[in-house]
Amino acid sequence: DAKTTQPPSMDCAEGRAANLPCNHSTISGNEYVYWYRQIHSQGPQYIIHGLKNNETNEMASLIITEDRKSSTLILPHATLRDTAVYYCIVRVHNNAGNMLTFGGGTRLMVKP
Amino acid sequence: EAGVAQSPRYKIIEKRQSVAFWCNPISGHATLYWYQQILGQGPKLLIQFQNNGVVDDSQLPKDRFSAERLKGVDSTLKIQPAKLEDSAVYLCASSFATGNTEAFFGQGTRLTVV
Repeated sequence: DAKTTQPPSMDCAEGRAANLPCNHSTISGNEYVYWYRQIHSQGPQYIIHGLKNNETNEMASLIITEDRKSSTLILPHATLRDTAVYYCIVRVHNNAGNMLTFGGGTRLMVKP
Repeated sequence: EAGVAQSPRYKIIEKRQSVAFWCNPISGHATLYWYQQILGQGPKLLIQFQNNGVVDDSQLPKDRFSAERLKGVDSTLKIQPAKLEDSAVYLCASSFATGNTEAFFGQGTRLTVV
């Protein structure tokens, strides 16, 4: 799976949009971009994934650049409960399962 | 829908002792994973099962770690003997084998080796 690069930490004001960047310049054509987050003392939680089109769900939006070498996870109205470590992962879907290779992630601190 | 269940939640043991962790995945999920998460790092895959068969155990330290999923449902992860550097959170996750993109994680077992 391709490696990803994320800033180690970011701050965001409560109620504002949180934009978390991820660089995946070596991504290949069949690799998807996934985002998970991990709130303190809990297991990682799936947020969203995409291949090349922008995606939106009830939790977040995912913007993937046209060349697919980078992406941005957007939390439109961050709350204190969004404070967590956010992991950007790229991987191939395969029939044997959904192996996830985590990097260091971005520690997002939402401040009042 | 019930989530991934893990037990115990916390465990403290002395080095050279043995320990076992238990995981009950979401019903119907054929794929089960064990991850190790050392403080301040992202989770690292130890082993992946598809039903009761091992798909990937390349990062499992086989001299001391073992895992099984005998009936393709519950799984146990064992460490024998434990070392200080095994102190970590051990996470279990499950997903459907094919066509499902989301892995569900349990809360993990926090192991402290003293």
